[in-house]
Amino acid sequence: ELKVEQNPLFLSMQEGKNYTIYCNYSTTSDRLYWYRQDPGKSLESLFVLLSNGAVKQEGRLMASLDTKARLSTLHITAAVHDLSATYFCAVTFGNEKLTFGTGTRLTIIP
Amino acid sequence: GAGVSQSPSNKVTEKGKDVELRCDPISGHTALYWYRQRLGQGLEFLIYFQGNSAPDKSGLPSDRFSAERTGESVSTLTIQRTQQEDSAVYLCASSFRTGGGYGYTFGSGTRLTVV
Repeated sequence: ELKVEQNPLFLSMQEGKNYTIYCNYSTTSDRLYWYRQDPGKSLESLFVLLSNGAVKQEGRLMASLDTKARLSTLHITAAVHDLSATYFCAVTFGNEKLTFGTGTRLTIIP
Repeated sequence: GAGVSQSPSNKVTEKGKDVELRCDPISGHTALYWYRQRLGQGLEFLIYFQGNSAPDKSGLPSDRFSAERTGESVSTLTIQRTQQEDSAVYLCASSFRTGGGYGYTFGSGTRLTVV
């Protein structure tokens, strides 16, 4: 059974600081996704990572993938309040259903 | 349509009643997925459709849960004899086809409260 773990589950950080969210998965994956969810809202797609060594960046967020370690990271640079949200990673394998991690609730403190 | 539409957005029902949740995927999207999100939790896979067929129903938690899709479009998730533990947000997503490379678009969800 494919398992996806994220850490930390909760993250409180000051504006301007850098931090990294980690996503580990248990078996070979086809693709890895990062999503953002604001309270009471649906999921917004951030990144899709397809291959080992893939790196994608959008604004203050950068995602990377190491398929050998079965690890993806979401790095936040110089955090701003607008980045406060819950971030989920998800992987697909085989029949293409998304298997989600537990989520990381990020709070940016002024 | 422009996005994935779910209805109702909120539903409060009494324990033991049946409920139907609807999902309208993006036009032309052949793959459709249902997920459940309990308060403060991640997303649990329930079922997915490719066209009108459901190759994977492994996430349906009990035989009280069923889903169908018609015309390779609208899908309905039915929960019979609702229980309090069924309270959650039910999210639907669609994709151009299975294969993941086309991405997934999520609806805004139906918040179900069983009292």
